Amino acid sequence: ELKVEQNPLFLSMQEGKNYTIYCNYSTTSDRLYWYRQDPGKSLESLFVLLSNGAVKQEGRLMASLDTKARLSTLHITAAVHDLSATYFCAVDIDGGATNKLIFGTGTLLAVQP
Amino acid sequence: DSGVTQTPKHLITATGQRVTLRCSPRSGDLSVYWYQQSLDQGLQFLIHYYNGEERAKGNILERFSAQQFPDLHSELNLSSLELGDSALYFCASRRYGTSTDTQYFGPGTRLTVL
Repeated sequence: ELKVEQNPLFLSMQEGKNYTIYCNYSTTSDRLYWYRQDPGKSLESLFVLLSNGAVKQEGRLMASLDTKARLSTLHITAAVHDLSATYFCAVDIDGGATNKLIFGTGTLLAVQP
Repeated sequence: DSGVTQTPKHLITATGQRVTLRCSPRSGDLSVYWYQQSLDQGLQFLIHYYNGEERAKGNILERFSAQQFPDLHSELNLSSLELGDSALYFCASRRYGTSTDTQYFGPGTRLTVL
């Protein structure tokens, strides 16, 4: 059975600190996505990683993909309160036109002032 | 605003009833995906349509069905509703072959079954 696991499930951090969220998956895939969800809201696309070694950065967030290790990371640099949200990784298990995504458990990030 | 619209935003109904959720994809997107989000199951893929044809199925119950119409909007039909069907239902759309290559999510429909 395919598993997409994120850790930690909950992360409380102080403003200005750095931290990494990990996403491990159990099947072969070279396409991985990161989304953000604010409480009671929809999902917002953050990063699209489409090959081994892909690295994308936007502001204080940086995502990377290691398909051999079946691991993606989302690194947060100098966290600010506005980054508080739930972050999901999602693995494309079909690829191509289907783009069937299996989502991770989510990581609830709370940035404290 | 992702450009994906869903109606209604909230739906409260009773067990045993049937409801229809509607989704309009972003202009030009041919693919529509449906997801269910609940506290115990997380975010689960239900079904994918591409240009009117079903392309992939996930953990969709037999009591649930979907279709995509010629104007590309999609409907998710939930019947014989049970308490456990209470959840947030999202649709997403995607334009295959673009550089962004991501799914854009609608605002969701919150279904409460009493």
